[in-house]
Amino acid sequence: SQTIHQWPATLVQPVGSPLSLECTVEGTSNPNLYWYRQAAGRGLQLLFYSVGIGQISSEVPQNLSASRPQDRQFILSSKKLLLSDSGFYLCAWSAIGNAQHFGDGTRLSIL
Amino acid sequence: GQQLNQSPQSMFIQEGEDVSMNCTSSSIFNTWLWYKQDPGEGPVLLIALYKAGELTSNGRLTAQFGITRKDSFLNISASIPSDVGIYFCAGHNAGNNRKLIWGLGTSLAVNP
Repeated sequence: SQTIHQWPATLVQPVGSPLSLECTVEGTSNPNLYWYRQAAGRGLQLLFYSVGIGQISSEVPQNLSASRPQDRQFILSSKKLLLSDSGFYLCAWSAIGNAQHFGDGTRLSIL
Repeated sequence: GQQLNQSPQSMFIQEGEDVSMNCTSSSIFNTWLWYKQDPGEGPVLLIALYKAGELTSNGRLTAQFGITRKDSFLNISASIPSDVGIYFCAGHNAGNNRKLIWGLGTSLAVNP
């Protein structure tokens, strides 16, 4: 069966520091991968998605970037965090045209 | 970006009552999905619908893919306290099967 791992579960970072969140999927190959941000427990905002290694589509202009160095690895990064980057970050995978399956999320707090 | 119209925004019910929520779209969808999210966790898929008119059950949950392909509903029968959470609808519109379009969620509270 397929599983998705996302870490860390919580993170507290100072403004201006870098960020790296990692997501890996097991039990499937060539998945579509997604990064979402959720503010205040409501509404999922799609940040990035990837249909293959090295292929990244950005949905909204922002202070973040994403990379997919391996088939089942998706990384969310920032060079300098802003206060507005605080939120709940979710990684998800899917087979094309099918339902997305989510990790447990990372709660990011910027001080 | 496009969003689904999900209603109601919140519900407060007594344990044992039935619940109904729905989502509508201005465009045709190829899939309808229903998720539940507990606090501090990722959304969990409840029911996936892939054909117009499809009616699918998962325990006390029942969901339908509308005939017009522009709406879906989720019913929960005989609610229990662990049904508390936020329920999201989502779907692929006919032009794009890579990204999901999401509703803003229905927050459900159950009074034991």
